[in-house]
Amino acid sequence: GAGVSQTPSNKVTEKGKYVELRCDPISGHTALYWYRQSLGQGPEFLIYFQGTGAADDSGLPNDRFFAVRPEGSVSTLKIQRTERGDSAVYLCASSPREGSSYNEQFFGPGTRLTVL
Amino acid sequence: DQQVKQNSPSLSVQEGRISILNCDYTNSMFDYFLWYKKYPAEGPTFLISISSIKDKNEDGRFTVFLNKSAKHLSLHIVPSQPGDSAVYFCAASGFNAGNNRKLIWGLGTSLAVNP
Repeated sequence: GAGVSQTPSNKVTEKGKYVELRCDPISGHTALYWYRQSLGQGPEFLIYFQGTGAADDSGLPNDRFFAVRPEGSVSTLKIQRTERGDSAVYLCASSPREGSSYNEQFFGPGTRLTVL
Repeated sequence: DQQVKQNSPSLSVQEGRISILNCDYTNSMFDYFLWYKKYPAEGPTFLISISSIKDKNEDGRFTVFLNKSAKHLSLHIVPSQPGDSAVYFCAASGFNAGNNRKLIWGLGTSLAVNP
């Protein structure tokens, strides 16, 4: 498939545990975004990568959340000491050019995280 | 503070008729607007976009209208088809620090097209 893929599709964990969510963007896309969608809400921005660097992490809710993109392709969103309020669908999107250009973002199917 | 507002959580339309989905925004720095369609258990799918230098963009059955003075945009689907039934999100972006075009989203409108 040529689209954005995310793994796992579902993740159930216990409060206090550590989780990693993976995103494989469309090949060649330089920009990568993470969003979080809670029930009944629109997606909320978390972090943006341009290449390997996190150009904007202003949406990360607190220091339990961290994301990396070491080789400028795959990205991993990491959540430490999970809380029940972290339960949501985590969406990843990529776009083909620098963020300053007008272009759409292509989304993966999301990872549904449930913290018990 | 919701910068992008979709005030109708749901809309029901008869097949073949026009569907009109509305969106309002508050931030005058937004210069690019997008509509996404979302089916259950799938990520949002890009539908159509418009930049602030235009007031209309058309793609097949889908047309987006932008009224900058009113900070309002709308998506028209004509004719509506049962397969159009989904949640439609309005999103906006503006160029900001870090070369970032992060999207600011509305809450979505659930469209049901009845056969």
